[in-house]
Amino acid sequence: AQKVTQAQTEISVVEKEDVTLDCVYETRDTTYYLFWYKQPPSGELVFLIRRNSFDEQNEISGRYSWNFQKSTSSFNFTITASQVVDSAVYFCALSAFMEYGNKLVFGAGTILRVKS
Amino acid sequence: EAGVTQFPSHSVIEKGQTVTLRCDPISGHDNLYWYRRVMGKEIKFLLHFVKESKQDESGMPNNRFLAERTGGTYSTLKVQPAELEDSGVYFCASSHFSGSSKETQYFGPGTRLLVL
Repeated sequence: AQKVTQAQTEISVVEKEDVTLDCVYETRDTTYYLFWYKQPPSGELVFLIRRNSFDEQNEISGRYSWNFQKSTSSFNFTITASQVVDSAVYFCALSAFMEYGNKLVFGAGTILRVKS
Repeated sequence: EAGVTQFPSHSVIEKGQTVTLRCDPISGHDNLYWYRRVMGKEIKFLLHFVKESKQDESGMPNNRFLAERTGGTYSTLKVQPAELEDSGVYFCASSHFSGSSKETQYFGPGTRLLVL
């Protein structure tokens, strides 16, 4: 069973539109961490955010915001006023030590295409 | 501070040949991880070193894969003999050691391996 689900395989938007990337996770751990990474066309994985399971406050960083809801096991990522440079593959990942050790469990990724 | 570096960036080999991938972690990071993304699927864990010791190698697909981290600095991942299904992007990541899963893993640019 998929432990981290990114149901949206690919999303296309026009510049300046807002876009939300969904992430649903599954774990038995009570302490865990959630991450988002960005993979631009150049290929490297760029760390965006880490959130622990005890902190449900939403976070905003510039045009990026994250909505963590334990009740629905979701950690969604919203880009406001998207730009062409936001085009990339975005990965959600889970770290749950008791269940998985130190490794990250990734979703399949969502391809975001922002058109000018 | 230099990030995680990987060499080579690309490798094209024929089935049955040997390939060795190298990863240099961020200086001071005791944790070193190898992951692989095959054919646009999710990124999957291969193994985890703490310094020179293999902490978790549960993701290694078979005995054609051999990872080493002599001296606890850089790591190599050797595939011998390579098969077609080994094609993909091999990522290396590193993090500080904390004995838990909270540390952020920073990824290298990946090595794109194509086995013909």
